[in-house]
Amino acid sequence: DAKTTQPPSMDCAEGRAANLPCNHSTISGNEYVYWYRQIHSQGPQYIIHGLKNNETNEMASLIITEDRKSSTLILPHATLRDTAVYYCIVRVKDDYKLSFGAGTTVTVRA
Amino acid sequence: KAGVTQTPRYLIKTRGQQVTLSCSPISGHRSVSWYQQTPGQGLQFLFEYFSETQRNKGNFPGRFSGRQFSNSRSEMNVSTLELGDSALYLCASSWRTGGTGELFFGEGSRLTVL
Repeated sequence: DAKTTQPPSMDCAEGRAANLPCNHSTISGNEYVYWYRQIHSQGPQYIIHGLKNNETNEMASLIITEDRKSSTLILPHATLRDTAVYYCIVRVKDDYKLSFGAGTTVTVRA
Repeated sequence: KAGVTQTPRYLIKTRGQQVTLSCSPISGHRSVSWYQQTPGQGLQFLFEYFSETQRNKGNFPGRFSGRQFSNSRSEMNVSTLELGDSALYLCASSWRTGGTGELFFGEGSRLTVL
């Protein structure tokens, strides 16, 4: 899997959008970008994934640059319950040898 | 739709004992993968099962083993427990074929070895 780089932490005000960057400059053509989050002591939660195009679901939006070397996860209206560690990983879809890096610790403040 | 269910959620064992953890995947999912998560090492892949066959294995000693049943439920076993085996053990399920690779995790089984 390609290596990803994320900022270690970020703060966000409740109700505002949270933009989480991820660099994956060595991504291969068949690798997807996946985002997960993990709230303390719980299992990771799938958020969204994409290959080339921007994606949106009920939780978030994923913006992937045209060269696919970086992406941004957008939480449109952050709430206190969005406080978690967010992991960006890249993998081919049938590769289960996941390893999460340190991720970005997001703290949403009232 | 029920999520991935892991049992037990918490358990305490002593060194030398063995433990069995169980995972019930989302209905229809045939792939189950197992991970160990510790503060120092982060999330590490243990193994993956699909259709009762181990498809991939991570870099863990032979004390760590698993199996999958015909109903896709999976168990993992750790024998001769060591203090360093204390961790959150996570199971994830997936369609594997025909899907787009999303993994759905359970809440984990937190093992403490004394």
